[in-house]
Amino acid sequence: ETGVTQTPRHLVMGMTNKKSLKCEQHLGHNAMYWYKQSAKKPLELMFVYSLEERVENNSVPSRFSPECPNSSHLFLHLHTLQPEDSALYLCASSRTSNRGTKNIQYFGAGTRLSVL
Amino acid sequence: GIQVEQSPPDLILQEGANSTLRCNFSDSVNNLQWFHQNPWGQLINLFYIPSGTKQNGRLSATTVATERYSLLYISSSQTTDSGVYFCAVNDNQGGKLIFGQGTELSVKP
Repeated sequence: ETGVTQTPRHLVMGMTNKKSLKCEQHLGHNAMYWYKQSAKKPLELMFVYSLEERVENNSVPSRFSPECPNSSHLFLHLHTLQPEDSALYLCASSRTSNRGTKNIQYFGAGTRLSVL
Repeated sequence: GIQVEQSPPDLILQEGANSTLRCNFSDSVNNLQWFHQNPWGQLINLFYIPSGTKQNGRLSATTVATERYSLLYISSSQTTDSGVYFCAVNDNQGGKLIFGQGTELSVKP
């Protein structure tokens, strides 16, 4: 148990569906992240929220829409996805200082998404 | 941006053997983490080690920041050590964590 909880663990959706991934952290952290891990590839950073403000958006298609209502919760809203979006989606959190040093990230167990 | 390269890409060990995994990075960093991703996808923090040496049970890690590499040592390997080991770094701006491609370890009984 890392203190970062993701739900659901598995999700199968059609290309016309709308679904949301949820991440919750119980570590008192102030930054949260979404990563995508496709088969045989390293993790790719998608979004970063620091103090509930989005600070990074790595050219992610608009069919992925993040939401951070507070420092403990992070959502990834999905709509009209493509089969190539099938991947493991990982959430992480960290406590960042003003200088961003010692940014130790803790990961959730991930949501394995299949788009049919 | 910073490049992170891990070697070897794949490693097969017999239970009980020792191994060394390497992570090279192309620029100065202020954070380096080693992770173990188990077969179910869970990423577990192993070490936060921007420099120096740390040990935790059968695992230890050394980072030589001036030479831009880090090593992860696994001694007396067990089947539960199987999975993918990732090295990840932050640049000196403390920004995003950049991951290497990983080393896929398989420990056979």
